[in-house]
Amino acid sequence: SDELIQPPSVSVSPGQTASITCSGDKLDHKYTCWYQQKPGQSPVLVIYEDTERPSGIPERFSGSKSGNTATLSISGTQAMDEADYFCQAWDSSAGVFGTGTKVTVL
Amino acid sequence: QVQLVQSGAEVKKPGASVKVSCKASNYTFTSYGISWVRQAPGQGLEWMGWISAYNGHTNYAQKIQGRVTMTTDTSTRTAYMELRSLRSDDTAVYYCARGAWGGRSWRNDYWGQGTPVIVSS
Repeated sequence: SDELIQPPSVSVSPGQTASITCSGDKLDHKYTCWYQQKPGQSPVLVIYEDTERPSGIPERFSGSKSGNTATLSISGTQAMDEADYFCQAWDSSAGVFGTGTKVTVL
Repeated sequence: QVQLVQSGAEVKKPGASVKVSCKASNYTFTSYGISWVRQAPGQGLEWMGWISAYNGHTNYAQKIQGRVTMTTDTSTRTAYMELRSLRSDDTAVYYCARGAWGGRSWRNDYWGQGTPVIVSS
């Protein structure tokens, strides 16, 4: 299956670490991107190739992968990080998105 | 800075076709690809396909293969996505995004502003 499964929601207190997982078959053989999307806005790339951070993305965003599960971590979470987050994995020029996770900063 | 500017909102009847444009600026157009992604109201992101601006090679999602055509015009640095035989469940915001090769995998590093397409009788 090409499905990428994410938890529907994650809640985090300001200043704490939010962790969002993305699980899928054969993910260990693919690279994962992560996108942040705020309401009414276009997605923004925050992590690519599992662990790389584009220029301009704060250091508090980091990515990792273990086996078939990729993880996006947001350390020292701020109110501005409240958004939907989507993982994406590429396979032979086809990109599949995860189901999406809503991060709420309480 | 890199910009992708999409065409405006569309309202179409079931069975019609829609063609969305995506004009690129401030980068070498033919060195990258263009992905098309859609998002139905209140739903997640759905990858529709990809086109190389270098050679026009395409790869479409199986779900819409046969109804979609992606093209580029290198003279105007514009990508196009045409979707035919529209149905109500094609109602969505359609995004174009630059596809960049990072040495190990692709990523969509810049996105257009989105084009709402409403399919309604």
